Amino acid sequence: EIVLTQSPEIQSVTPKEKVTITCRASQSIDNDLHWYQQKPGQSPRLLIKFASQSISGVPSRFSGSGSGTDFTLTINSLETEDAAAYYCHQTYSLPWSFGQGTKVEVK
Amino acid sequence: QVQLQESGPRLVKPSQTLSLTCSVSGDSINTDTYFWSWIRRHPGKGLEFIGYIYFTGDTYYNPSLKGRVTMSVDLSKNQFSLKLSSVTAADTAAYYCARVDTALSTPFHDWGQGTLVTVSS
Repeated sequence: EIVLTQSPEIQSVTPKEKVTITCRASQSIDNDLHWYQQKPGQSPRLLIKFASQSISGVPSRFSGSGSGTDFTLTINSLETEDAAAYYCHQTYSLPWSFGQGTKVEVK
Repeated sequence: QVQLQESGPRLVKPSQTLSLTCSVSGDSINTDTYFWSWIRRHPGKGLEFIGYIYFTGDTYYNPSLKGRVTMSVDLSKNQFSLKLSSVTAADTAAYYCARVDTALSTPFHDWGQGTLVTVSS
């Protein structure tokens, strides 16, 4: 099974700051890496697919980069509504797996 | 716009079988376009992929669940189901159904709202 390791586990940020979350895979997964946002009481929402492809309806301040084993989710100019848990997810090989999550807190 | 909705008992006793159903509206399960999936999130922890079922009844289960998982599909009701046997407190989680395109490596785009299942005597 491919293990995804996210860092940091928690990030406390002030509005308008830039947020960077990293996800490292235990082996190369090409660009089969996706990012989700999950708020309390809600289901996960797809933010970025295939490492860097945007999703319709997702604000442009969310962007992704990386390939192989190292990936990054960037939130430019954080807004209060961005307080949530963020997960990376690989679909390179079964069983599909998720990172342990990064909680973004807004100060 | 497809909608997925989980239903089933919220409280299950240890050693019993957890049973959930996902009702799909706005699209037909009887299609070769999607895998119909289950994912769970343990309280305070990350997401875990449980497995998926195809409209033909073909399945994939995560080996981490050690043979305790059974999925089925009911085309007439446009539903698919999850059974998890011999549950313990470690199976307490929010369970989500979701669909994923069968095209190579696509992510989960459509999710149900999720249902919290507690395993306790």
